[in-house]
Amino acid sequence: RKEVEQDPGPFNVPEGATVAFNCTYSNSASQSFFWYRQDCRKEPKLLMSVYSSGNEDGRFTAQLNRASQYISLLIRDSKLSDSATYLCAVNIGDSWGKFQFGAGTQVVVTP
Amino acid sequence: NAGVTQTPKFRVLKTGQSMTLLCAQDMNHEYMYWYRQDPGMGLRLIHYSVGEGTTAKGEVPDGYNVSRLKKQNFLLGLESAAPSQTSVYFCASSPTEKDTDTQYFGPGTRLTVL
Repeated sequence: RKEVEQDPGPFNVPEGATVAFNCTYSNSASQSFFWYRQDCRKEPKLLMSVYSSGNEDGRFTAQLNRASQYISLLIRDSKLSDSATYLCAVNIGDSWGKFQFGAGTQVVVTP
Repeated sequence: NAGVTQTPKFRVLKTGQSMTLLCAQDMNHEYMYWYRQDPGMGLRLIHYSVGEGTTAKGEVPDGYNVSRLKKQNFLLGLESAAPSQTSVYFCASSPTEKDTDTQYFGPGTRLTVL
């Protein structure tokens, strides 16, 4: 079993709709969680950190559920430019600065 | 401020050849990482460094060596390339402060081993 798992998708979303997806992690000691966005053949770029209380950045909302060990990302009012692969990153609890990444969830926003 | 840069961007090797990938960062970050990304596998950590002169193994270190002689540079070496090392290689760096424990990635190196 992978330590960080994501539904690979693709999630096909009509423009203007809402899409949400999760990332599960197995290490209960993990403290830091992030969502990265990766466009085709490009490097991952930080989208947002995930805080215990949940956090919002414009149309993007990230949540952390420690009890069930998953983080989520919700995108509201989807834009065509939101089409990308979204990677979650979870720190390895026993080593600061060392992360494991999920394989990514592909989102395709259609006109 | 260029962030994280990687050279070369593309490379084709024959089995058994050697090469070195260079990663440079100008953000004064302590931590640096080398990942490989393969379809369906996500990013897998090869080696990482927590500071100048230090290196440590990640998840998939076999067949690779690294060096961090200067804080700003992290080199990844393939001594005898194999087709299984065909991949996209990303370098990343991060500061150590708890509140900014995020990673900044270079543009990647696409390596093909024939």
